[in-house]
Amino acid sequence: RKEVEQDPGPFNVPEGATVAFNCTYSNSASQSFFWYRQDCRKEPKLLMSVYSSGNEDGRFTAQLNRASQYISLLIRDSKLSDSATYLCVVKSGGSYIPTFGRGTSLIVHP
Amino acid sequence: GAVVSQHPSRVICKSGTSVKIECRSLDFQATTMFWYRQFPKQSLMLMATSNEGSKATYEQGVEKDKFLINHASLTLSTLTVTSAHPEDSSFYICSARALDRGGEQFFGPGTRLTVL
Repeated sequence: RKEVEQDPGPFNVPEGATVAFNCTYSNSASQSFFWYRQDCRKEPKLLMSVYSSGNEDGRFTAQLNRASQYISLLIRDSKLSDSATYLCVVKSGGSYIPTFGRGTSLIVHP
Repeated sequence: GAVVSQHPSRVICKSGTSVKIECRSLDFQATTMFWYRQFPKQSLMLMATSNEGSKATYEQGVEKDKFLINHASLTLSTLTVTSAHPEDSSFYICSARALDRGGEQFFGPGTRLTVL
């Protein structure tokens, strides 16, 4: 079983739709969680950290479920510019080395 | 956020040649730099972790004699792909960890290597 698993998609949604991605992790000692965004042929960029209490940044909401070992990303009112690959990133306690999921591809169409 | 540069952004070379990729942290000191490789539609795969002034730690399955890493200063790490072959063609991305910014990692823009 892979350490971090994501549905690769693609998720194909119309503008204005709400879309959610899940990511599961296998290491119960994982302590830090992040969502990164990667555009085609570009480097990943930090979208948001995921806190135990959940956090929201504009149209983006991230949540953590430690019991089930998954994190989620919800995007409301999708924009064309949201089209990208969303990477789930997990760090274990005491380690600064992140583990990346393979990413979920989102395509927002007019 | 902090800035990390990579050079070159794209390189095409013949099989058997060596290619050097530079990763620089421009406005912070990076005690640790990471080198990743990403094949099309795949995840970033960590190749090695390098700490300034010491030998790099390679991930399982990554040949240290083929992928030479030098982290000679707090702002520069280099990855040399020796005797490159077509299967080494990939997107190579470095990232730098900034201790004075909460340990956050900042990624370089990547280098696309094509070996003919």
